[in-house]
Amino acid sequence: KAGVTQTPRYLIKTRGQQVTLSCSPISGHRSVSWYQQTPGQGLQFLFEYFSETQRNKGNFPGRFSGRQFSNSRSEMNVSTLELGDSALYLCASSTEGLAGPYEQYFGPGTRLTVT
Amino acid sequence: AQSVTQLDSQVPVFEEAPVELRCNYSSSVSVYLFWYVQYPNQGLQLLLKYLSGSTLVKSINGFEAEFNKSQTSFHLRKPSVHISDTAEYFCAVNNFNKFYFGSGTKLNVKP
Repeated sequence: KAGVTQTPRYLIKTRGQQVTLSCSPISGHRSVSWYQQTPGQGLQFLFEYFSETQRNKGNFPGRFSGRQFSNSRSEMNVSTLELGDSALYLCASSTEGLAGPYEQYFGPGTRLTVT
Repeated sequence: AQSVTQLDSQVPVFEEAPVELRCNYSSSVSVYLFWYVQYPNQGLQLLLKYLSGSTLVKSINGFEAEFNKSQTSFHLRKPSVHISDTAEYFCAVNNFNKFYFGSGTKLNVKP
């Protein structure tokens, strides 16, 4: 099976702009989660989508949003970019077991730089 | 809410020496436990996991971790490290469909 893919891999934007990142999960995985990783804050959970519905949400401002399509592909959008949004954005997909999702499989990430 | 603590942000060690990376979590309620490894400029890769059964789990490259319910710990160990093990390691807990990650431990293996 192909792994989790994320596009683009690198992105440079200017403050105030908006950006859309894309994630294609492993075939058959219906859960997609997004994380922001920075040197200072570590790995922070943004949100999780399952079957096109946002199931869990982290503590990020409303400028961060996401959606999931019927084929489980997911996008996240950041509006009105700030310098502090510069980070590695990781997408992860997982299966659903009887007791919930098991391990998450991560994509290579999108490195966003805001200037 | 669940929390995951990795007390050591950096662990320097010489090649072929043993290493232990510590992980503690806050709740003993039924959890699933994971260790992930991240090499520079890459995403996280699953190293090993505990879902149920034997409390000692092993990876294919010599790492092992033991689930200790009474101490709410899931420490990662390797008896002899290699230069190629240099990476950042994250402990994670899945509790009621939510994943919680520790802040990571950078393992620096020196020749």
